[in-house]
Amino acid sequence: GVTQSPTHLIKTRGQQVTLRCSSQSGHNTVSWYQQALGQGPQFIFQYYREEENGRGNFPPRFSGLQFPNDSSELNVNALELDDSALYLCASSLLGTSGGAIADTQYFGPGTRLTVL
Amino acid sequence: AQKVTQAQTEISVVEKEDVTLDCVYETRDTTYYLFWYKQPPSGELVFLIRRNSFDEQNEISGRYSWNFQKSTSSFNFTITASQVVDSAVYFCALIDNAGNMLTFGGGTRLMVKP
Repeated sequence: GVTQSPTHLIKTRGQQVTLRCSSQSGHNTVSWYQQALGQGPQFIFQYYREEENGRGNFPPRFSGLQFPNDSSELNVNALELDDSALYLCASSLLGTSGGAIADTQYFGPGTRLTVL
Repeated sequence: AQKVTQAQTEISVVEKEDVTLDCVYETRDTTYYLFWYKQPPSGELVFLIRRNSFDEQNEISGRYSWNFQKSTSSFNFTITASQVVDSAVYFCALIDNAGNMLTFGGGTRLMVKP
C-alpha cells in the first residue's frame, strides 16, 4: 500500500518542512492533497514519471519531487499558520497510450502538520 | 470548473437503519469518473467505488449500493442495515479524463449509534 512519514509534525511559522510518501509498487503517478479540519481534500499537485502533471491553486512555496524508486516528497517553505492540515498522498497508474486514463488514486494514512 | 456537493454535512442513524448519502456533481467534460471514499477517524481515505460517466448501471456490493443518474448529475450511496463500524466521513469525488485532479465534496459525517 501507500505509506507516509512522519505521522505527525509540529513546526513554527517561517520554517520549512519535507513530507515523504512511498507509492504502491507499479504505480507511476503520485498526487498530493491538503485537508484542513472539517473539509474535503484539496489538490496540491501531481507528479507523473518524475515531472509535474498538474497543479492546484497553491503558491510556489509548495513544491514536490518524485523519484524512480516509488518515493516522493512534498516540500513547503516559509510555513504559515494556515498550512496546518492533514497532508495526503495518493498513488495511481496513468495510462500511457492515447493520452491519460484516469485510474483510481489510493491514499496513504497522511501526515498531520501543525504550524505554531 | 468541476464541483462536487454533498449537502448533508452530518447524519445520525441507529444501527440497522438504512441510510443514503447524497452527491451532486458539476462538470463540462463528457468523460469523467466518480468515486466514493470513506475516511475513518484514523484519517486514511479508503477507496469504495469508481464509476465512469458511460456506465450508468447501479452497483451493489454487500450492504453498499450506488445509484448513478446522469440526468440529475447525482451519484448517491446507500448503506443497508448500517453498523457502528460504518461511522466515518464519506467523500464523493470527481476526476476528468486528464486524470490528475480529484475534486472532492465537503464530506458527510455518518454516525451510527448502537
